[in-house]
Amino acid sequence: SAVISQKPSRDICQRGTSLTIQCQVDSQVTMMFWYRQQPGQSLTLIATANQGSEATYESGFVIDKFPISRPNLTFSTLTVSNMSPEDSSIYLCSVEMSGSGNEQFFGPGTRLTVL
Amino acid sequence: QKEVEQNSGPLSVPEGAIASLNCTYSDRGSQSFFWYRQYSGKSPELIMFIYSNGDKEDGRFTAQLNKASQYVSLLIRDSQPSDSATYLCAVTSNYGQNFVFGPGTRLSVLP
Repeated sequence: SAVISQKPSRDICQRGTSLTIQCQVDSQVTMMFWYRQQPGQSLTLIATANQGSEATYESGFVIDKFPISRPNLTFSTLTVSNMSPEDSSIYLCSVEMSGSGNEQFFGPGTRLTVL
Repeated sequence: QKEVEQNSGPLSVPEGAIASLNCTYSDRGSQSFFWYRQYSGKSPELIMFIYSNGDKEDGRFTAQLNKASQYVSLLIRDSQPSDSATYLCAVTSNYGQNFVFGPGTRLSVLP
């Protein structure tokens, strides 16, 4: 599996501001995904980050709220825009490795608290 | 709406016993099935995956899949206190796309 890092690991933000979360992988990967895990809940897929094209969003998530970039095969960002306390959550990136089955491996996560 | 169901637990087993974790899914087109372990405050860690009906063993872990019954399970033999965590079942219908996670089962292994 790859080594996946996320920045920041945690942050406390004010309502109405935006935060950009970075996900870096130490090798090229075919697929990158962004998930949200709300307190005490399971994981919900936000979007698939596509290299060279717009992200593919799941139902209930929109680009204006969660813009995503993926400029190359090792890096992606997720921005949480115009934050409210309901956005307080753990945000996780995951990757599917080239040449593997479709297993996904997760980064360490970013714990976001919105006041 | 594709759904994945798990008992939330907590499931408590004594040390050395077999822990049995169950997962059912609604989409008959599901092809790939995964078990993740998540310790409190940590990200999910892949334990096992299974694609075909039957059993798949890896050390103390056995995954069992029955597509006709839309049921996948994880057995943990010789359970250890370090196995205490939340176990997440994930299902995908298309290759590499759209994991759907269950709510997770919290396992507590009592010393």
